[in-house]
Amino acid sequence: NAGVTQTPKFRVLKTGQSMTLLCAQDMNHEYMYWYRQDPGMGLRLIHYSVGEGTTAKGEVPDGYNVSRLKKQNFLLGLESAAPSQTSVYFCASRKDSSNQPQHFGDGTRLSIL
Amino acid sequence: AQSVAQPEDQVNVAEGNPLTVKCTYSVSGNPYLFWYVQYPNRGLQFLLKYITGDNLVKGSYGFEAEFNKSQTSFHLKKPSALVSDSALYFCAVMRQAGTALIFGKGTTLSVSS
Repeated sequence: NAGVTQTPKFRVLKTGQSMTLLCAQDMNHEYMYWYRQDPGMGLRLIHYSVGEGTTAKGEVPDGYNVSRLKKQNFLLGLESAAPSQTSVYFCASRKDSSNQPQHFGDGTRLSIL
Repeated sequence: AQSVAQPEDQVNVAEGNPLTVKCTYSVSGNPYLFWYVQYPNRGLQFLLKYITGDNLVKGSYGFEAEFNKSQTSFHLKKPSALVSDSALYFCAVMRQAGTALIFGKGTTLSVSS
């Protein structure tokens, strides 16, 4: 089982460039999440989705957009990258609205120069 | 504001000794509580959760956690630490079923041989 797969694993961007991070899950989960992890700050929720075609803002949504056109995929976009967006990005999924744990991908390490 | 606190940035223990990683939370109602572990360059892995019932819950790799409602704490424990337990540990809270996890800042556990 692949679980949650994130691509790319690493990326370096210049300020002002745009890019899209892809998250794919093969567990038929309804809920998907994007977090960023910064040293000493834990994981902070950027955006999430409770089903295909739906998205919602999390704790730190500014500068990011998301789309969930297919149930298995959740895309995170940076329209104009800034150095403050240098971080490790994690995608997670969960089966449904129950109290089941989230399953995480291995992360995308993004540096903005 | 709802929050999760992990008061120790780092915990150092000798192999074979018991370990405790502390977590307290400030969330209204009866939240669900989780522990995750993160190894270098990997995503978060689920260890255990408390939903209801027995205050001592057992999880993966010999870890257990004790829930204390009056102290709003959910400390992670293991009777005998292994060097391979060295990792970053996150406590997380789900305010109610279906909502996103709120993470603490993480505690680095270092087990020496």
